[in-house]
Amino acid sequence: DAGITQSPRHKVTETGTPVTLRCHQTENHRYMYWYRQDPGHGLRLIHYSYGVKDTDKGEVSDGYSVSRSKTEDFLLTLESATSSQTSVYFCAISEGGSSYEQYFGPGTRLTVT
Amino acid sequence: AQTVTQSQPEMSVQEAETVTLSCTYDTSENNYYLFWYKQPPSRQMILVIRQEAYKQQNATENRFSVNFQKAAKSFSLKISDSQLGDTAMYFCAFMKYGGATNKLIFGTGTLLAVQP
Repeated sequence: DAGITQSPRHKVTETGTPVTLRCHQTENHRYMYWYRQDPGHGLRLIHYSYGVKDTDKGEVSDGYSVSRSKTEDFLLTLESATSSQTSVYFCAISEGGSSYEQYFGPGTRLTVT
Repeated sequence: AQTVTQSQPEMSVQEAETVTLSCTYDTSENNYYLFWYKQPPSRQMILVIRQEAYKQQNATENRFSVNFQKAAKSFSLKISDSQLGDTAMYFCAFMKYGGATNKLIFGTGTLLAVQP
């Protein structure tokens, strides 16, 4: 199994509070991704990173920011959590280029009350 | 923009029987990858099978095989000799070939229940 961990695994927070989710990899892969999973929508890309300090938006980036200060860590921040951000969040990694496979972390279940 | 459609929200199959999950996609790209991912109750995303669009031969992985129809933009998954452990949500996904970022676009999923 690819070495990907996510923390926390579960979190309950109140509307309006900031939340940071962490993805940590031990594979030294260049690309990292944040997806959210919601019923009826599958997984949708929030943000991705193609290197340290290099990030870009996915299809559902509003309300989220990311940072990647070192290869192994990719942080997802909800500046002011809303109930619509209640979801399961997955991190994924990929070597990129011709190595297309993405490896997923175990997911974080976030509930915003 | 690419889209992936899974029109069967839920399916059920008897143990040891065969089941086919449907997936269609829309793209103007000629070169791409298609994937089926399995998500059991543990929530872990597991790659089941992949297909390169430039390959005419359908991919096979043990009991899992695909029927790739490029002209029809169809990519179905066949599971033979279904087992209780196959109970899971199955996602079809698209990736543009040669893209710098290897972004995946997922369908909405099919929940498969294997009955004893």
